[in-house]
Amino acid sequence: QTVVTQEPSFSVSPGGTVTLTCGLSSGSVSTDYYPSWYQQTPGQAPRTLIYSTNIRSSGVPDRFSGSILGNKAALTITGAQADDESDYYCVLYMGSGTWVFGGGTKLTVL
Amino acid sequence: EVQLVESGGGLVQPGGSLRLSCSASGFTFSSYSMHWVRQAPGKGLEYVSGISSNGGSTYYTDSVKGRFTISRDNSRTTLHLQMSSLRAEDTAVYYCVNRGGSNSFGYWGQGTLVTVSS
Repeated sequence: QTVVTQEPSFSVSPGGTVTLTCGLSSGSVSTDYYPSWYQQTPGQAPRTLIYSTNIRSSGVPDRFSGSILGNKAALTITGAQADDESDYYCVLYMGSGTWVFGGGTKLTVL
Repeated sequence: EVQLVESGGGLVQPGGSLRLSCSASGFTFSSYSMHWVRQAPGKGLEYVSGISSNGGSTYYTDSVKGRFTISRDNSRTTLHLQMSSLRAEDTAVYYCVNRGGSNSFGYWGQGTLVTVSS
């Protein structure tokens, strides 16, 4: 059973920088997993932020960036704003038409 | 503008059936794989099912195999999810999602709530 791991929670100060990570219970995350990131505010549908590791979806501000850091995928928010306070989910593509979501990271901006 | 509008959710008893629909517009529906992702109350997102652009291939997470059937009608730009033998653990908001770039998800609908309870 593949488990995708994320930090349950994180906090950042307004204007600060934060990096959220996305790992595997067994093994390393690489670009071959096409990691993608989604933002969800309470009561709203998710919004696509990043796909294929580091490509921003249309309309996503450039303060959001994706990368591979060590053996994990990473989402970095530079110059955090109050409305960045959301849940962030990563997804890894496992091949054969299957995807696995991480448990999500609740980001607090304070 | 891409729009995905889900319908068909509601309250159903354990063991019952429900059919979800997703009406799509604003993109060439027949060129995109489509997917269902669900979110149980207070929980994270979970991939449920997907279907290729021409309907020739379907995918299911293990917990719904044999109980859920995904289908699409490209002439009516509509996606369906037929759910049977429903269980309490199927209670969730079900989101319709289209394919994004490079094995990712693109646009999300607003979701429809399915509640399985007696």
